[in-house]
Amino acid sequence: TQLLEQSPQFLSIQEGENLTVYCNSSSVFSSLQWYRQEPGEGPVLLVTVVTGGEVKKLKRLTFQFGDARKDSSLHITAAQPGDTGLYLCAGARAGNNRKLIWGLGTSLAVNP
Amino acid sequence: DTEVTQTPKHLVMGMTNKKSLKCEQHMGHRAMYWYKQKAKKPPELMFVYSYEKLSINESVPSRFSPECPNSSLLNLHLHALQPEDSALYLCASSGRRGTANTEAFFGQGTRLTVV
Repeated sequence: TQLLEQSPQFLSIQEGENLTVYCNSSSVFSSLQWYRQEPGEGPVLLVTVVTGGEVKKLKRLTFQFGDARKDSSLHITAAQPGDTGLYLCAGARAGNNRKLIWGLGTSLAVNP
Repeated sequence: DTEVTQTPKHLVMGMTNKKSLKCEQHMGHRAMYWYKQKAKKPPELMFVYSYEKLSINESVPSRFSPECPNSSLLNLHLHALQPEDSALYLCASSGRRGTANTEAFFGQGTRLTVV
């Protein structure tokens, strides 16, 4: 059973297009994190969202945490080839915060 | 210093070999992790050390043996591995003061190939 459903799994777009990646669950998370990973490297933390309804912006990336803290989205505006990578969401549950629940990842390719 | 350093970056070992992976962090984090990752898949948690004590073992086979000599160091001892154990092994740490406990900082990983 996958506790954190991430979609889409694969995405190939042209430079300049917009995209949205979703992470959905039936469980409540105390916080949710987004990571980006390039081939042969470890994941790099992009953002943590904690409060239901929270919106955070990181340049062209916008992250949102659902009101009920069960889902999150990542929106990229005007994608660039440097955005290519594996995007992973990971949720922390109250009382078990040493163990993250990971989505399956979205492999994004932005073509010039 | 915001780095988690892993060595070696690449490792090829035979099924009868004994080797060790090393990880070091100097961010004062109190939790350290070993993850295993296959291509295009999310990291799979193997072990968690919290305050230098093993707190989570995700039913990992005994051919993987973790060790935490001190709060900055984490080792993973490998013995009698199988070809299916070939993967990217990631070390991470978390627990920086003033942040959510779970924000993980990863090393670059060790690409392990078992032949």
